[in-house]
Amino acid sequence: DQQVKQNSPSLSVQEGRISILNCDYTNSMFDYFLWYKKYPAEGPTFLISISSIKDKNEDGRFTVFLNKSAKHLSLHIVPSQPGDSAVYFCAASHLNTGNQFYFGTGTSLTVIP
Amino acid sequence: DTGVSQNPRHKITKRGQNVTFRCDPISEHNRLYWYRQTLGQGPEFLTYFQNEAQLEKSRLLSDRFSAERPKGSFSTLEIQRTEQGDSAMYLCASSRERGSGNTIYFGEGSWLTVV
Repeated sequence: DQQVKQNSPSLSVQEGRISILNCDYTNSMFDYFLWYKKYPAEGPTFLISISSIKDKNEDGRFTVFLNKSAKHLSLHIVPSQPGDSAVYFCAASHLNTGNQFYFGTGTSLTVIP
Repeated sequence: DTGVSQNPRHKITKRGQNVTFRCDPISEHNRLYWYRQTLGQGPEFLTYFQNEAQLEKSRLLSDRFSAERPKGSFSTLEIQRTEQGDSAMYLCASSRERGSGNTIYFGEGSWLTVV
């Protein structure tokens, strides 16, 4: 039962342009959402998070948007840089699960110089 | 380096052998998690500790898997009688008490290959 879905396995963007990565979830009880970046053979690195009481959170070039009614979140990277090329995972959790984080299957971003 | 530390980073073992992975969390974090990741998938939850207490276990954690965190600091994950299907990256993560958003921070992972 995939409660967090990333329907685009891959995305290619020109350097300097905006990258938009999307994530959908099915469980309306989720109240905390995170994005992680992963390079091959390394563990995921935390990027940015958002609580369900907000609809936007920004940190430098990274902005996460949350649309609770659509059960959708997105990560915007502006401007995209070649070093952003990696696999991006979204994750979600809620108080009632205690401490499980549910991850999507990832989107592989390639930023073309 | 004050991040989550895992070792060994890579392990190749023959089917049927036992393997053990170690995780040292960020020092002020009292929560510790084990996840597993296979190619093309996101991390899948295995188990969670709050201090030394193992509070949650996934159905993925068969009876061949055991995790401990004896003093509430480092943790070990042991896989007995390994099978080829156990080949994966085993990820450890840690976090503070919820209230700060409970962001979990991952280690570099331990790659297991069962041949």
